[in-house]
Parts: sequence; C-alpha cells; structure tokens
Amino acid sequence: AQRVTQPEKLLSVFKGAPVELKCNYSYSGSPELFWYVQYSRQRLQLLLRHISRESIKGFTADLNKGETSFHLKKPFAQEEDSAMYYCALSGGDTGANSKLTFGKGITLSVRP
Amino acid sequence: DAGVTQSPTHLIKTRGQQVTLRCSPKSGHDTVSWYQQALGQGPQFIFQYYEEEERQRGNFPDRFSGHQFPNYSSELNVNALLLGDSALYLCASSDPRVPYGYTFGSGTRLTVV
Repeated sequence: AQRVTQPEKLLSVFKGAPVELKCNYSYSGSPELFWYVQYSRQRLQLLLRHISRESIKGFTADLNKGETSFHLKKPFAQEEDSAMYYCALSGGDTGANSKLTFGKGITLSVRP
Repeated sequence: DAGVTQSPTHLIKTRGQQVTLRCSPKSGHDTVSWYQQALGQGPQFIFQYYEEEERQRGNFPDRFSGHQFPNYSSELNVNALLLGDSALYLCASSDPRVPYGYTFGSGTRLTVV
C-alpha cells in the first residue's frame, strides 16, 4: 500500500525565513516522489520531482530512503510562495503514469 | 492550448441521484485520470482511462464508473449519490511517453444535499 503523510496542516513564516515542509511516505517498492503546489484560484501544478534533482523557484527536496522522507525546503521564503503544498507518491516500478497518492497538504503562509 | 477542461464547474444534486462529470484532456494527451478531493484532504485516485479502457482503479465502490471516448475525452459517472460524495472532482491528463507529466483541470465542485 502507498501512503503519504504530511504531519502539519499550516506553516506560517515571515518573509526571508527558511521553510521546511515535511513529507513522509510508506511504499514497499521503488517510489517516485513529487511536490505539487496550488496557488490561490489556480490549478494544482507540479512543483518538482525527486528524479529531476532540480531547484524550482528556490525550492529543493531530497529523497531520504532511510527515513522515508521527502521534505521540501527553501532557504528564504517569499510572499508569493504562499500556497497549498501537496506531497505525492507514485509507484516507480508500476509504470510512468501510475496513480498518484497525495498527502493531505499543508498551507504555507508567508507574512511580509 | 486550454489545457484540461472540466464541466460543469459546480453542481448540486440530491441524495440518490446520478451525476455525470466531463473532462477534455490537454492537446496531445491520451490518458485521463480522475481524483476526488474532499474538503481538507488531498486528492484521492478514483481511476485512469487509456485507449478507452479502465487501466487502474483506486479504492472506490462500483457506483463510480467512467468512460473514455475516441477523442480521449472522459466522463465520470456516480450513481446513487451519498452526502459523502460531496467533493471537488479533479481530472488529470497525461501522455504515456512523458513520465509523470500530469496536467490537472480546475475541477468540478459537487454538492450532494
């Protein structure tokens, strides 16, 4: 079974502060991990995925298989980062378009 | 490119009724997945259609069914509506040649009263 846990519902920080959004997962096979973001009044969109090892809008996420975590980090938050963030998992060994399992999401609020 | 288009945007149904939601995938995409997002929850996978067949299914009862047409558009049908079916229903399209390249629609907000 696939499971994604985002332990916090809300994170509120001041502009310029570091951000870490936590994500833990459970999957017996080889997982593909993603972070999706939903800005106010916009559609759900992919922020980054672990296989790309890229930094998007200053965000990075490292897959830690030992701790089964995929935390999202940004060293200096900006007001435009305020949004809903979802961690998601797909079974990497079940096909490139396998279903996504989402966490419950966390609201990031960046105050001026 | 309009991306993924879903209709209607909102609707209200009475318990016990049936509903049909529609999705037009992004141009070039031939795979359609449906998700249910209850209030305060993340999206939950319902099923996926490719080549007009259901390829994957999540843990949803048979009241939830779907269809994919030759033009790749898709419908989600829910029979015998329950109050608990009230949610945002999201459609995501993808191209199997582009791994994990999902594009989500804005969703249909279903309220069952």
